[in-house]
Amino acid sequence: ILNVEQSPQSLHVQEGDSTNFTCSFPSSNFYALHWYRWETAKSPEALFVMTLNGDEKKKGRISATLNTKEGYSYLYIKGSQPEDSATYLCAFFGNEKLTFGTGTRLTIIP
Amino acid sequence: ETGVTQSPTHLIKTRGQQVTLRCSSQSGHNTVSWYQQALGQGPQFIFQYYREEENGRGNFPPRFSGLQFPNYSSELNVNALELDDSALYLCASSLDRTSVYEQYFGPGTRLTVT
Repeated sequence: ILNVEQSPQSLHVQEGDSTNFTCSFPSSNFYALHWYRWETAKSPEALFVMTLNGDEKKKGRISATLNTKEGYSYLYIKGSQPEDSATYLCAFFGNEKLTFGTGTRLTIIP
Repeated sequence: ETGVTQSPTHLIKTRGQQVTLRCSSQSGHNTVSWYQQALGQGPQFIFQYYREEENGRGNFPPRFSGLQFPNYSSELNVNALELDDSALYLCASSLDRTSVYEQYFGPGTRLTVT
């Protein structure tokens, strides 16, 4: 059974502050690491797909890094805004399937 | 919003019944995956279809079955429903079956088994 763990489980951040959270995954049989944002009452939306050790990706105020050798990825949000409130899911692609973590629920406090 | 649609939105069934959930893929996508999300958990992979063939399966019993049609739309069938099958069922389409392609999710079908 593959374990993909995310921490923290939930997070409250003041508007304007920056934050980050972690995804841990197996370091063997790695093919890709996906990040998704899931807002309430909407569909999960892809943020990044990362494949190479040392990858860094950025989309606006959100960025992610990848360390496949030690099996972790960080997601960073700079200058949090109320629209960043969502659950952030990471998913490890290995053994021909995508295995999701349980997510980090982020709430931005105005 | 993605171009992936699912029907129905909500469904209530009785234990022992059978259910069919439907998914329409994003245009141009030949791969569809189905996930079950129970309360407090991340989406769990059920199976994937690529060009009408099953291309991988998670730890779900055979009473969970699927189909993909020539237009790449898909169905998830669950027989002999159990109370634990109550969950949100998500489908996701992607451009191809490899890991580098992001998945485009539908809004889900909420299934309640009583």
